[in-house]
Amino acid sequence: DAKTTQPTSMDCAEGRAANLPCNHSTISGNEYVYWYRQIHSQGPQYIIHGLKNNETNEMASLIITEDRKSSTLILPHATLRDTAVYYCIVRVDNQGGKLIFGQGTELSVKP
Amino acid sequence: DAGVIQSPRHEVTEMGQEVTLRCKPISGHDYLFWYRQTMMRGLELLIYFNNNVPIDDSGMPEDRFSAKMPNASFSTLKIQPSEPRDSAVYFCASSRNRSPQHFGDGTRLSIL
Repeated sequence: DAKTTQPTSMDCAEGRAANLPCNHSTISGNEYVYWYRQIHSQGPQYIIHGLKNNETNEMASLIITEDRKSSTLILPHATLRDTAVYYCIVRVDNQGGKLIFGQGTELSVKP
Repeated sequence: DAGVIQSPRHEVTEMGQEVTLRCKPISGHDYLFWYRQTMMRGLELLIYFNNNVPIDDSGMPEDRFSAKMPNASFSTLKIQPSEPRDSAVYFCASSRNRSPQHFGDGTRLSIL
């Protein structure tokens, strides 16, 4: 699975959009980009994933560059409850498949 | 729908004792994963099962660790004998085929 690089930490004002970047320059054509987050003392929570098209769900939007070497997770209106560690993971979307977590980005949403 | 259920939520025991962590995956899920999280190493996969069969146990630290999945609705992770360096939060996750993994809330294990 390709390696990802994320900033260690970020701040965001409550109500503003949070844009979390991820670099995955060695991504292969059949690898998906997954985003999970972990709120303190809880298990990781799935947010969104995509292959090459931009994706949106009720939690967030995922923007993947045309060359697929980087992506951005967007939380459109961050709330204090979005304070968490956000993990960007790339993996082949075969059956099951393990997740390899990096260090992630610690997002602090401030009032 | 009930999520992944782990028990106990907290476990404190003395070095040398046997520890058993339990996990009930989401009904209908055919993959089950055990992860460990520490400050030093982050989240790391220990082992995963497909249809109750272990597929990859390369992350299991050593022979003191063992995992079983006797049926589709139950799995255990056992440490015997336990050591202080095993102190961590242990997470269980499950998924159905290509669907994203769903995690439990973890077991916080402290070995004194």
